[in-house]
Amino acid sequence: EAQVTQNPRYLITVTGKKLTVTCSQNMNHEYMSWYRQDPGLGLRQIYYSMNVEVTDKGDVPEGYKVSRKEKRNFPLILESPSPNQTSLYFCASLEGFNGELFFGEGSRLTVL
Amino acid sequence: RKEVEQDPGPFNVPEGATVAFNCTYSNSASQSFFWYRQDCRKEPKLLMSVYSSGNEDGRFTAQLNRASQYISLLIRDSKLSDSATYLCAVSLGGYNKLIFGAGTRLAVHP
Repeated sequence: EAQVTQNPRYLITVTGKKLTVTCSQNMNHEYMSWYRQDPGLGLRQIYYSMNVEVTDKGDVPEGYKVSRKEKRNFPLILESPSPNQTSLYFCASLEGFNGELFFGEGSRLTVL
Repeated sequence: RKEVEQDPGPFNVPEGATVAFNCTYSNSASQSFFWYRQDCRKEPKLLMSVYSSGNEDGRFTAQLNRASQYISLLIRDSKLSDSATYLCAVSLGGYNKLIFGAGTRLAVHP
């Protein structure tokens, strides 16, 4: 089954404790992206990657890091989480050029 | 002004009603347009792409108005299962960033 898998799905952590949200896709897509979704603000892009070892900033990259060492994986790293990073995070991969975005099920993160 | 704007709703309609949502975009160079559906606490899923000539998929019709810079989604014969948030998404095409609206919530009641 074609899918984008994120882990963890739910996480409560404390300020400053580094965490990583993993994302893996099994569709051999080149393009992957991370979004955060907040009430009233919609989905905002954090980082994206057009291929292995190629990453770029989206609209709200501050406080986040990513890496793309393999085509299927695109982890999101919060080196020192803060309460304003409490949000619902989605990883997505893009089918083809100008195609459909496939989203993972989301990771709800709470930073206390 | 936001790049992509939607009326947040909620639109409360009875089963069987016809309902329409609009989504305005600010960049006249935008080339690709989509409607995504998002159920509560779930991931967005592509509902349909929006083509210049307009397109229909069953009870759903999408239109693009380039002159006024908006796209629309029409749902006919609403079902309870149509209750969800509908997100519009716009990009300059290709691998350019997809910009999402904040969504319009639809609640269909018996």
